[in-house]
Amino acid sequence: KAGVTQTPRYLIKTRGQQVTLSCSPISGHRSVSWYQQTPGQGLQFLFEYFSETQRNKGNFPGRFSGRQFSNSRSEMNVSTLELGDSALYLCASTTQVGGVYGYTFGSGTRLTVV
Amino acid sequence: QQQVKQSPQSLIVQKGGISIINCAYENTAFDYFPWYQQFPGKGPALLIAIRPDVSEKKEGRFTISFNKSAKQFSLHIMDSQPGDSATYFCAASRRSQGNLIFGKGTKLSVKP
Repeated sequence: KAGVTQTPRYLIKTRGQQVTLSCSPISGHRSVSWYQQTPGQGLQFLFEYFSETQRNKGNFPGRFSGRQFSNSRSEMNVSTLELGDSALYLCASTTQVGGVYGYTFGSGTRLTVV
Repeated sequence: QQQVKQSPQSLIVQKGGISIINCAYENTAFDYFPWYQQFPGKGPALLIAIRPDVSEKKEGRFTISFNKSAKQFSLHIMDSQPGDSATYFCAASRRSQGNLIFGKGTKLSVKP
């Protein structure tokens, strides 16, 4: 079955701009989580969506937002970009089996803010 | 506030050797401890995971050892191969919440 699809793979944006990233989860998975990966901070949880509702949120400023559509596809938006937002943004398609979450990550979107 | 501490940051091992990566956690409410492997240009992929009611879990050349009283767990890669060269992340979560808390990662290089 198809994996997690993230688009675009690479983005270059200017400070102050906004950006929207897209994630299509594995077919049948209703939950999508977003993570930011940087060399300094590692992998940090942004938020989780389940059935179009934000179920969990990490410790990021309000400039970071997301949403999920009825087909489970998700988008995350970053407004008023800062240089420090340069990172690899990873989406994970999640499913819960026997009380355990299984994560399948996409290859990410590499965002560079200049 | 780092809830999962991982060491070492980098590791060089000869082919056929044993690679050992250690993690320590703080939150005793964590009840799920996975390890992820990440190759350049790819997202992390689940390698092996353990629950705190088990002290050891083995899958092929990969073994997790878990010490609940010390709040530590480790990944052992036996007979390390050059193809194992990647960055490894430990993580922890509460199964009821689902979001993973990751360690900072260990870059493993296996020399032929």
